[in-house]
Amino acid sequence: NAGVTQTPKFQVLKTGQSMTLQCAQDMNHEYMSWYRQDPGMGLRLIHYSVGAGITDQGEVPNGYNVSRSTTEDFPLRLLSAAPSQTSVYFCASSPGLAAIQETQYFGPGTRLLVL
Amino acid sequence: AQSVTQLDSQVPVFEEAPVELRCNYSSSVSVYLFWYVQYPNQGLQLLLKYLSGSTLVKGINGFEAEFNKSQTSFHLRKPSVHISDTAEYFCAVSGGYQKVTFGIGTKLQVIP
Repeated sequence: NAGVTQTPKFQVLKTGQSMTLQCAQDMNHEYMSWYRQDPGMGLRLIHYSVGAGITDQGEVPNGYNVSRSTTEDFPLRLLSAAPSQTSVYFCASSPGLAAIQETQYFGPGTRLLVL
Repeated sequence: AQSVTQLDSQVPVFEEAPVELRCNYSSSVSVYLFWYVQYPNQGLQLLLKYLSGSTLVKGINGFEAEFNKSQTSFHLRKPSVHISDTAEYFCAVSGGYQKVTFGIGTKLQVIP
């Protein structure tokens, strides 16, 4: 198993550009989530999904969109990038329908710089 | 609502010395507690978790944590650290919601 994969590893954007961060898992996990990690702020939940076709907002959803058309993939879209979105983005998955008791498996992260 | 407080942002400790990383939580419902570790330039991986039962939880790499409901704490301990334990450690809580809340992290620096 590859586990949770994320692409790209690094990205530089200009303010106003849009892009999609890719996340895929091959463990047949129902629950997937996106976090951003910023210094001194830990990980903050952006969006999550409990299965194909079902998504919901986390703590910091503004400026991001998600969709879940398959169990395997959970892309994160930045609609119009802003410098405040400079961060490290992690995708995670867990086997149950909710992360509350399950171990989350994290991808290696995408480092995004918005100029 | 639920929240996590990690009381120390950085903890330096000499190699082979014991270490305790502190975590306090708040939640209005029953909680599940986790410790994750992040090595440089990597994603997080689970060290251990408390769901129910024994309040002393043993994890990987010789770490353990004790759930204390009265003090709302879940401190992480290791009796003897190694250089390879240098990493950032995150405490997390979930309970009653489909979300996990992470603390801000504690950087453990093991000094040779």
